[in-house]
Amino acid sequence: DAMVIQNPRYQVTQFGKPVTLSCSQTLNHNVMYWYQQKSSQAPKLLFHYYDKDFNNEADTPDNFQSRRPNTSFCFLDIRSPGLGDAAMYLCATSREQGTDTQYFGPGTRLTVL
Amino acid sequence: DAKTTQPNSMESNEEEPVHLPCNHSTISGTDYIHWYRQLPSQGPEYVIHGLTSNVNNRMASLAIAEDRKSSTLILHRATLRDAAVYYCILRDVRTGGYQKVTFGTGTKLQVIP
Repeated sequence: DAMVIQNPRYQVTQFGKPVTLSCSQTLNHNVMYWYQQKSSQAPKLLFHYYDKDFNNEADTPDNFQSRRPNTSFCFLDIRSPGLGDAAMYLCATSREQGTDTQYFGPGTRLTVL
Repeated sequence: DAKTTQPNSMESNEEEPVHLPCNHSTISGTDYIHWYRQLPSQGPEYVIHGLTSNVNNRMASLAIAEDRKSSTLILHRATLRDAAVYYCILRDVRTGGYQKVTFGTGTKLQVIP
């Protein structure tokens, strides 16, 4: 039944050690999003893909990168995690870019030691 | 972007109706009102949306003021599983392309057994 799957659910990394979070979807949606949610805050959009077109938010740090090798998978790469990058990372999908409903995964909680 | 204002927190007794308010005094004529909720340790999920008329679905009802400057999400019988942060979000239907979902602070609903 799972539609948007995120692995792992919990990830621990060391300060400065690159880490990759993964997201997959069974909905065949065109758009995939990555959000960052820090403790007690609302989700904040980092970037999204419309098909293979990458769209970065203006205030997303260069430390965050993304890859979408095919329709089903999308990855979030954090090149040099800092303590301030500890957060829940949420993947979401939507059929189109307009006002279509977004479907979220359960998130990956990243801890940086 | 038009902004929304919600109370930080609300309480409800189990099995009773809950009315979650949202103010959006600068709403434009083409803004849809969307509601998402985020259960503890999960990603947000879509609840309901509307433009002008009141809307009902299996999860909730949405009552929209005649001047559209406010709306109310109604949970008809709150259960413990409804304890979540509820986000009221405006999305402009004019935009044919990318339409960002900007989460505000939301209302944290506590359901008391």
